[in-house]
Amino acid sequence: AQTVTQSQPEMSVQEAETVTLSCTYDTSESNYYLFWYKQPPSRQMILVIRQEAYKQQNATENRFSVNFQKAAKSFSLKISDSQLGDTAMYFCAFMYSGGGADGLTFGKGTHLIIQP
Amino acid sequence: ETGVTQTPRHLVMGMTNKKSLKCEQHLGHNAMYWYKQSAKKPLELMFVYSLEERVENNSVPSRFSPECPNSSHLFLHLHTLQPEDSALYLCASSQDRNRGISGNTIYFGEGSWLTVV
Repeated sequence: AQTVTQSQPEMSVQEAETVTLSCTYDTSESNYYLFWYKQPPSRQMILVIRQEAYKQQNATENRFSVNFQKAAKSFSLKISDSQLGDTAMYFCAFMYSGGGADGLTFGKGTHLIIQP
Repeated sequence: ETGVTQTPRHLVMGMTNKKSLKCEQHLGHNAMYWYKQSAKKPLELMFVYSLEERVENNSVPSRFSPECPNSSHLFLHLHTLQPEDSALYLCASSQDRNRGISGNTIYFGEGSWLTVV
C-alpha cells in the first residue's frame, strides 16, 4: 500500500514571497503519478500540477513547479510570487499508473495562508 | 466548474432516514469515485466504478450503498447512518483506468456536506 506524508500542517507567508510545500511518499511501484491538489474554502478540489514518475523533468504550471526526487521519494511544490488567492489546503496525492482500483492516495494536507 | 456536479450540496439527515447523494459528470469519463473527507483525516477512497462496474470497496460499512447506472451518473445511498458519518463526500471522475493508458487525472466535484443528527 502507498502512503503519502505531508509534514507541514500549516504554513504562512507574505504575498509575493515564494513558498515550498513538502511531500514524501512510500511505494514499491516504479510507475505512478503524483499530484498536487488545492482545496480553497469553497472545498472544490482543484488540480494544481501533475508529475509522471517516468519523467525526470520537473513539471511546471505558471507560478507552480515541483521538485521531484524519485530516489528520495520526495515531491515538493514551489509557489512563486504567491497571491492571496493561493490561500487554501494543499494536498499531495499518489496514483499507481498500472490500472487497478487504487484511485488517489492523499496526504493529510498543508494549510497555506498568504498574508497581505 | 470542473464538469463534475454533485447534489445536494448540503444534507442534514436523522439516523433513521434514507437519503441519496447524486453525482453527474459531463467529461465523457468512464470511471467514477466516492471519497469521504472528515476533519483531521486524509481523504478516504470509498468506492470506485470503472465502466459502470464496481472495482473497489474500501471496507466501507454497508450503510453506504453506491449505484452507478451509467458512466455519467453515480449515487451514494445512505441509510441508518451514524453521527460519525458526518463529513464532506466528494465525487470524482477520470478517463479510463485500464492498464497502459497514460494521462489519467481525477477531477472532483464540489462535494456534498452531510450532517447526521
